[in-house]
Amino acid sequence: DADVTQTPRNRITKTGKRIMLECSQTKGHDRMYWYRQDPGLGLRLIYYSFDVKDINKGEISDGYSVSRQAQAKFSLSLESAIPNQTALYFCATSVQGVHEQYFGPGTRLTVT
Amino acid sequence: GIQVEQSPPDLILQEGANSTLRCNFSDSVNNLQWFHQNPWGQLINLFYIPSGTKQNGRLSATTVATERYSLLYISSSQTTDSGVYFCAGTSFNTDKLIFGTGTRLQVFP
Repeated sequence: DADVTQTPRNRITKTGKRIMLECSQTKGHDRMYWYRQDPGLGLRLIYYSFDVKDINKGEISDGYSVSRQAQAKFSLSLESAIPNQTALYFCATSVQGVHEQYFGPGTRLTVT
Repeated sequence: GIQVEQSPPDLILQEGANSTLRCNFSDSVNNLQWFHQNPWGQLINLFYIPSGTKQNGRLSATTVATERYSLLYISSSQTTDSGVYFCAGTSFNTDKLIFGTGTRLQVFP
């Protein structure tokens, strides 16, 4: 079983729609992250959470919001999707004091 | 300046060949990781290697933290090794993972 899961794996939506991407982990890690990857580029950090009550913006948070419902769950929302949010989205986890991050399988989002 | 830099950007190999990928990182980054992104987009952890050498099958990695570089060695390459290899380091200031732009590897039979 995968330790970090993401749903949905693929999603096509229209401009202006609200969409939520979900991430769950069974690794028992306290830290969770959301990244996006555009074609041909590396990953950029959207939001991160060091525990349930600690949410922080990353380098590209505009147009996104997050919710840490529990230690194991971290959701990313696009309140009003736009085409340039078309990308591959990754969730990741780590544990405090150990900098290794583990990634989910990714969600491929297309906004038309 | 650039915090994590990878070379070469592209690499084409015939099956069975060996290769070395390089990652240079700045003073503000440490705790290097190597990832393989397969053609389906999945990111696979290869090594967490702040310093020293590790080996896993045909792959090995070495990080020389004092000289700010890490190397990933792929021996006897296979077509399944194709994809993009990323190195990433943790920023001292922000505790965030900073990615390089990757090395795209294509292995042909």
